This record gives sequence, structure tokens and C-alpha cells, in this order.
Amino acid sequence: GDSVTQTEGQVALSEEDFLTIHCNYSASGYPALFWYVQYPGEGPQFLFRASRDKEKGSSRGFEATYNKEATSFHLQKASVQESDSAVYYCALSDRGYGGSGNKLIFGTGTLLSVKP
Amino acid sequence: ETAVFQTPNYHVTQVGNEVSFNCKQTLGHDTMYWYKQDSKKLLKIMFSYNNKQLIVNETVPRRFSPQSSDKAHLNLRIKSVEPEDSAVYLCASSYGAGYAEQFFGPGTRLTVL
Repeated sequence: GDSVTQTEGQVALSEEDFLTIHCNYSASGYPALFWYVQYPGEGPQFLFRASRDKEKGSSRGFEATYNKEATSFHLQKASVQESDSAVYYCALSDRGYGGSGNKLIFGTGTLLSVKP
Repeated sequence: ETAVFQTPNYHVTQVGNEVSFNCKQTLGHDTMYWYKQDSKKLLKIMFSYNNKQLIVNETVPRRFSPQSSDKAHLNLRIKSVEPEDSAVYLCASSYGAGYAEQFFGPGTRLTVL
């Protein structure tokens, strides 16, 4: 079945550091790829999405580019802030034909801690 | 206020008891979901409803039963809870299928003693 792999379980940075969180996927079709962020005590929040090869998604200074050849969607931010500390999830969803796409398949999540 | 609301916030119960969780969305969406988030923060889809119709039913023990009275409400009942049911249950909603952004509620934390 479809799956998402996030390599880093935890990332510890200082403010203004560059962030990369790696995300690779395995899917039979042509899925949409997402990044969600979860703050303590809250549900995940949509960050952005990309649905075709080479498309860049971005929001709040974060960005990722859909790479079909490498099956990747790595999250990057040029300069992190303490307020970015949270758990970040990469996810995929297929096209939804026949209702099978009405679900997100999440990676294992990456806990980002940013020191001031 | 438009959002996804869940009740209760927390629930502590004994093994074998029955529990029910409620979810309501005021976003005008037509699709609602239940996800389970375990102690390691792993998030997995359980069920999905589109306009009150069950469309996704992952491999979930039979003691779990969702119910939708209309497209704005989705409940989850667990008959005879087990210790492994301890988790955060997250409700979400979206408009349309597949590529749609999902909006999540704050979750219900279940502890089974």
C-alpha cells in the first residue's frame, strides 16, 4: 500500500538556522503531497500542498517541491524561529477515485525544537 | 466561529466500558474523518464519511463503530475498550475528495486503565 517515510524523528536547531526535513513517498498512482504542523494540545494544521511534478508548495516561509523522479517532498525553511517548534508531518492522498482517496496517509512525524 | 469541535477533551475509563466521542464541524464541509494518534504521535486514518455515507473503513477492530447523523456531525463509539485504545482521537473535515485540505479538531484524549 501507499506509504510516507520521514527520516528524522527529531531535529534540534537554533534560531536563524536552515531547516530540512526529509520526506519520501511510495504510491502506485500520482498522489497529492502535503505538509501539516501540529502544536502541543492541538490538531494538525494544513501547511501547504503540491499535486503535480515540480510544483512548489509554500506557506509561512516553509516550502517543498514535488519531485516525482526522486519520490520526495522535502520541507525547508531558510531561517527558523523558536515559534516554529512543533511536530511536522508529511502526508499523501491519492486522487480519490471511488472514494478511496478520502484519507491522508501520514509519515511518522518530525519533532522540531528551536532554541532561542 | 467556524471550526471543528470535539467533545469531550479527555476521558478516563476502565477496561470493558463503552465510550462515545462527538465531533461537529461548522465549515460547511461534506466529508468527515476519524484519525487515531498513538503515544508515539503516529497518525492513522480509521474512518471517512462523505455526505453521511461511510466511504473509508480501515482495518479497525469491530468494537469501533462510527455514526453520522448529517454531514456536519460524526460520532465514534467504542464498545468494550481495551488498553491499546488509549490514544488521541482526532476528527477532521474537508470539502471534496482526494486532494482537499483537511481541518482537524483538537482531539479527544482517551485513557483506558
